[in-house]
Amino acid sequence: NAGVTQTPKFQVLKTGQSMTLQCAQDMNHEYMSWYRQDPGMGLRLIHYSVGAGITDQGEVPNGYNVSRSTTEDFPLRLLSAAPSQTSVYFCASSYPGSGNTEAFFGQGTRLTVV
Amino acid sequence: GQQVMQIPQYQHVQEGEDFTTYCNSSTTLSNIQWYKQRPGGHPVFLIQLVKSGEVKKQKRLTFQFGEAKKNSSLHITATQTTDVGTYFCAGPTVNAGNMLTFGGGTRLMVKP
Repeated sequence: NAGVTQTPKFQVLKTGQSMTLQCAQDMNHEYMSWYRQDPGMGLRLIHYSVGAGITDQGEVPNGYNVSRSTTEDFPLRLLSAAPSQTSVYFCASSYPGSGNTEAFFGQGTRLTVV
Repeated sequence: GQQVMQIPQYQHVQEGEDFTTYCNSSTTLSNIQWYKQRPGGHPVFLIQLVKSGEVKKQKRLTFQFGEAKKNSSLHITATQTTDVGTYFCAGPTVNAGNMLTFGGGTRLMVKP
């Protein structure tokens, strides 16, 4: 069972370039989300999805787009990379319910924008 | 907006000493979760607390959820070098399904 898979693990972009961070999960989770992690700031929610075809903005959505065409995949698109988007990006999935709602995280993508 | 705060930000301990991190939310939480992130790794779920005043133990780790469901703590007894990492608390984000609002984390360093 692979869990949550993110690609690539590392990426260097030039300012103004665009790219897509890939995220796939094989646990049939309805909920998926993207977080960015910056030193001393914990993880901040960028965008999330509660099911295929449904997406919504989190705390820091500017400069990012998402789509959710299938339950398994939730790609994050950087439209025009800026140095302020240098960060570690984590994709997570979880099962909606009133019980245990733990989030399963991917290995992360370390992005540097120069 | 909703905020989750953790203190301390960093903690150095000698192996064998105890360690505690504290978490405070600006809003009442339906539950609180704790995660551990090893250096260079990804957050890994440790536990979820749901009930007011709940206390749960996992070996040397003790988790508490406050009576008002706005604060929580994680206590590690007799730290070991394997406890090194950053510990995060997280609560459900208001009006965002089960998405999480994370505290800033407490980075634990253990000297052997």
